[in-house]
Amino acid sequence: NAGVTQTPKFRVLKTGQSMTLLCAQDMNHEYMYWYRQDPGMGLRLIHYSVGEGTTAKGEVPDGYNVSRLKKQNFLLGLESAAPSQTSVYFCASSSTGTRVAFFGQGTRLTVV
Amino acid sequence: AQKITQTQPGMFVQEKEAVTLDCTYDTSDPSYGLFWYKQPSSGEMIFLIYQGSYDQQNATEGRYSLNFQKARKSANLVISASQLGDSAMYFCAMREEPKLSFGAGTTVTVRA
Repeated sequence: NAGVTQTPKFRVLKTGQSMTLLCAQDMNHEYMYWYRQDPGMGLRLIHYSVGEGTTAKGEVPDGYNVSRLKKQNFLLGLESAAPSQTSVYFCASSSTGTRVAFFGQGTRLTVV
Repeated sequence: AQKITQTQPGMFVQEKEAVTLDCTYDTSDPSYGLFWYKQPSSGEMIFLIYQGSYDQQNATEGRYSLNFQKARKSANLVISASQLGDSAMYFCAMREEPKLSFGAGTTVTVRA
């Protein structure tokens, strides 16, 4: 059971570079989420999606874009990375029929 | 405005004793869900327990119980008979369909 898989697990970027984080889930979940985790601030919602082709802004969307072209995948893009985007990023998915959100293993991103 | 408040940044508990982690929430939606997740030092997010806003009884899962006081908007987690492996960060979360919001977390350290 793969569950929720995030790629890559670690990445170092230079300021101004771009990158895409991939989240894939094999549970046929409708909802998918991207969070960032910083010390002392818990998990903050960046963007989320309630279905294929739909996305919405969360709490801290600035500097990020997302796409959900296929139900099983949710991509998080950084167009021009900044040191303030150094964080651990988590993807999660859940079904409308269940209550629990399942998480990926996280991506540790460092922007220098 | 903060949706989920966890006022205890860190707690120490003696092995085999019980510990209560506080969580208060803010919502005007009559239908919502409350969750607790555990994050050990390895970083993964582990679901522990769920309480729906319409559930009459407090949720229990093994050594975990959720003390749900709806009028106070409180959803405290009680861990009974603490074990060394319970040392981790604990997050309270609330789902207001479809968003899932997290508190800042409480670090629990279990002493032998």
